Amino acid sequence: QSALTQPPSASGSPGQSVTISCTGTSSDVGGYNYVSWYQQHPGKAPKLMIYEVSKRPSGVPDRFSGSKSGNTASLTVSGLQAEDEADYYCSSYAGSNNLGVVFGGGTKLTVL
Amino acid sequence: QVQLQESGPGLVKPSQTLSLTCTVSGGSISSGGYYWSWIRQHPGKGLEWIGYIYYSGSTYYNPSLKSRVTISVDTSKNQFSLKLSSVTAADTAVYYCARDTSRWWFDPWGQGTLVTVSS
Repeated sequence: QSALTQPPSASGSPGQSVTISCTGTSSDVGGYNYVSWYQQHPGKAPKLMIYEVSKRPSGVPDRFSGSKSGNTASLTVSGLQAEDEADYYCSSYAGSNNLGVVFGGGTKLTVL
Repeated sequence: QVQLQESGPGLVKPSQTLSLTCTVSGGSISSGGYYWSWIRQHPGKGLEWIGYIYYSGSTYYNPSLKSRVTISVDTSKNQFSLKLSSVTAADTAVYYCARDTSRWWFDPWGQGTLVTVSS
């Protein structure tokens, strides 16, 4: 069982927006602004999409955005495109429990 | 840009030690400022952080694996390595190496290597 809770699946039609949640506790998500999001296509390595809650690495489309409220972080994908179909994982620093980094169980995003 | 590549045996027998190496290119481990991590993904499952090492040799391990994990660094070869002892079938996973910016996010990642524990 993963430390952070994500919905197993999410979906949307091309052009729509989808939001994926990531729920933790005050010891991880709620306690630090060290939430990141990763995109993983089948058979590929994860790719960083969002870091430090809402920052986007160079090269990541601005259709991807992140936010946090309390113990829940969110990834929003706007203007869905076919290539956005992938698994998405959140992670957070969990220093309060001396756990290092914890991940969510992943969300399969389907573009209908 | 920095690239990472995992290498090592794809099959390990139960109770033996899993050993993997990550070779870093396009940047120097000894330049500092980054932590070098191992992360694994069980088949069809989520991600699990194993631990990291700094170029100085300081380490930080996932408490759930700490008793079996050793991460070391060889700055002369620009490599860092993972050893996981007393493996069981539960350690079968794709193992990734990745660079941690010291802000607890990982970029880039290696392509990953599947390690199967089986007799």
